[in-house]
Amino acid sequence: EVQLVESGGGPVKPGGSLRLSCAASGFTFSTNSMNWVRQAPGKGLEWVSSISSTSSYIFYADSVKGRFTISRDNAKNSLYLQMNSLRPEDTAVYYCTLGAVAGSYFFDYWGQGTLVTVSS
Amino acid sequence: DIQMTQSPSSLSASVGDRVTITCRASQGISNSLAWYQQKPGKVPNLLIYAASTLQSGVPSRISGSGSGTDFTLTISSLQPEDVATYYCQKYNGAPFTFGPGTKVDIK
Repeated sequence: EVQLVESGGGPVKPGGSLRLSCAASGFTFSTNSMNWVRQAPGKGLEWVSSISSTSSYIFYADSVKGRFTISRDNAKNSLYLQMNSLRPEDTAVYYCTLGAVAGSYFFDYWGQGTLVTVSS
Repeated sequence: DIQMTQSPSSLSASVGDRVTITCRASQGISNSLAWYQQKPGKVPNLLIYAASTLQSGVPSRISGSGSGTDFTLTISSLQPEDVATYYCQKYNGAPFTFGPGTKVDIK
């Protein structure tokens, strides 16, 4: 059974940093692209970032480019999102997602999400 | 960047009604379109990919069609458990943009 478990969310002041983690199990982590999608309270879904299986390809939404860094550790079956220079508009539930079809960036599996709250 | 729009933004229909949601891309995306359902308070769930391929376990009353710039999600007979917000998403290349969503409820 595929499991994606996010951690690392919480309150942070504007300008601060947080590192989100996603622990993956139930599939061969090293062969799949992974992604972060966020949802601000009461709002729609926003794709944030994606990373290919070997980290060769990395993509970011314009809204986070230069502030967020996605990475993965295939030996630890883990995905990360380093978030710097956080803004109130980054407040959202952050979901770790898996694209089960190799090379495709739609999302078959979602974690339960971790809430990031950016407020002074 | 390619923009994704959806219409309507919300709809209310009776149980048993046929419901159609439209998703439009500002440029052609071939069939690289997915649909998700998000029930209130829940995590999004993949319904359809490649514009018309039903994800395993999704009821057959749900279907997708389209190619290029215009896509539709159809629920052939609306059920109470279909109350949710539906999102389309393009994935032919980054950014992997979602549409703004269509909220569906029961009249």
